[in-house]
Amino acid sequence: AQKVTQAQTEISVVEKEDVTLDCVYETRDTTYYLFWYKQPPSGELVFLIRRNSFDEQNEISGRYSWNFQKSTSSFNFTITASQVVDSAVYFCALSEARIQGAQKLVFGQGTRLTINP
Amino acid sequence: GAGVSQSPSNKVTEKGKDVELRCDPISGHTALYWYRQSLGQGLEFLIYFQGNSAPDKSGLPSDRFSAERTGGSVSTLTIQRTQQEDSAVYLCASSPEGGTGGFYGYTFGSGTRLTVV
Repeated sequence: AQKVTQAQTEISVVEKEDVTLDCVYETRDTTYYLFWYKQPPSGELVFLIRRNSFDEQNEISGRYSWNFQKSTSSFNFTITASQVVDSAVYFCALSEARIQGAQKLVFGQGTRLTINP
Repeated sequence: GAGVSQSPSNKVTEKGKDVELRCDPISGHTALYWYRQSLGQGLEFLIYFQGNSAPDKSGLPSDRFSAERTGGSVSTLTIQRTQQEDSAVYLCASSPEGGTGGFYGYTFGSGTRLTVV
């Protein structure tokens, strides 16, 4: 069975600090996808990144970076120089790679990130 | 439309009543999903529609829940004889059918917050 664990329920930091959100996953699949979504107070889940299990390259997008390590089954997300607008609930998710049919996402419980001015 | 549209945004209903939640996916997206976000269970997959194929209903929690998708576009999630444990945010998402580019995740709507009193 697939499982995603986000051990950090809530994180609170002061603006401009760096913050890392942890994500650990479990799957028996050899091919899978990992995702991060942001859920601001408006409620909409906003797609941030997708990572294929064959691609272990880390990725940087502006102040956001992701560290994928298959050896530890982790897909951590770092925000550099955090800003108040980064305050949201962040979800890590896992999906098996399927040729057809439902691509179901298994979500972690989410980490509520609060950036204080 | 430009995004996934859900209505109503909020719904308060009395226990035992039936409710209908509507989702209008992004134009051209053939795959449509319903998820439920509740405090106790996090984000859970409910049902998946893809074109004219039989829907994947494996996530529906009971036979009080049903959904349909008319004309391959708008979907309605119906909950009969609502119970207090049905209180949650119901999220709809759509995606283009995954092809050789793989699965890039969904676009979510803002959800319908259902409160059963």
